[in-house]
Amino acid sequence: QSVLTQPPSASGTPGQKVPISCSGSSSNIGSNTVNWYQQLPGTAPKLLIYSNNQRPSGVPDRFSGSKSGTSASLAISGLQSEDEADYYCAVWDDRLHVYVFGTGTKVTVL
Amino acid sequence: QVQLVQSGAEVKKPGASVKVSCKASGYTFISYLIHWVRQAPGQGPEWMGNINPKDYSTTYAQKLQGRVSMTRDTSTSTVYMELSSLRSDDTAVYYCAREMVRTYYFDHWGQGTLVSVSS
Repeated sequence: QSVLTQPPSASGTPGQKVPISCSGSSSNIGSNTVNWYQQLPGTAPKLLIYSNNQRPSGVPDRFSGSKSGTSASLAISGLQSEDEADYYCAVWDDRLHVYVFGTGTKVTVL
Repeated sequence: QVQLVQSGAEVKKPGASVKVSCKASGYTFISYLIHWVRQAPGQGPEWMGNINPKDYSTTYAQKLQGRVSMTRDTSTSTVYMELSSLRSDDTAVYYCAREMVRTYYFDHWGQGTLVSVSS
């Protein structure tokens, strides 16, 4: 059972905005920067957002991240069919001394 | 370009050990940590630990302490992860991933290695 809680699913029609939440605690999100990974079916996770709100080169600007207190959020604006994937938040936990991944959110494009 | 290329799928019996390799190329090997992350079927990723190829230091997840070992060969830019006393719940895809020291995110990942544990 992960210490980072995400909604199991989210969906939207093409062009809509889809938010994904990630709830943690003072020992993880409250103390360290949050990263987000996208995992397409059958592939390795891919870094989507790092340091709370930074996009690696090549990641479209429709993906954005934010953090407040012990929670973080990923937003997908202008949803596209290729965005159908699993999304995981991740952060170092100072109390558990492990890098923890969220429970994951499966995004479906209707 | 940066590449992390892992060894092929393995099938093991309970109690055996498995050693998975991760060969790095396209960057300075000793400048990045290598982490290992596993993902059981239908589950989220689970962090296993990391190795610093520069000084050989390692950090392991407590739940795997005593069963996991990470090593490196700087002459071939390869990192190895060995897991012993395998159980059925070790069945997973095992990934290596790199982190620039103290950035706490993984910017490149290997393709994954399926390890199946079954009697």
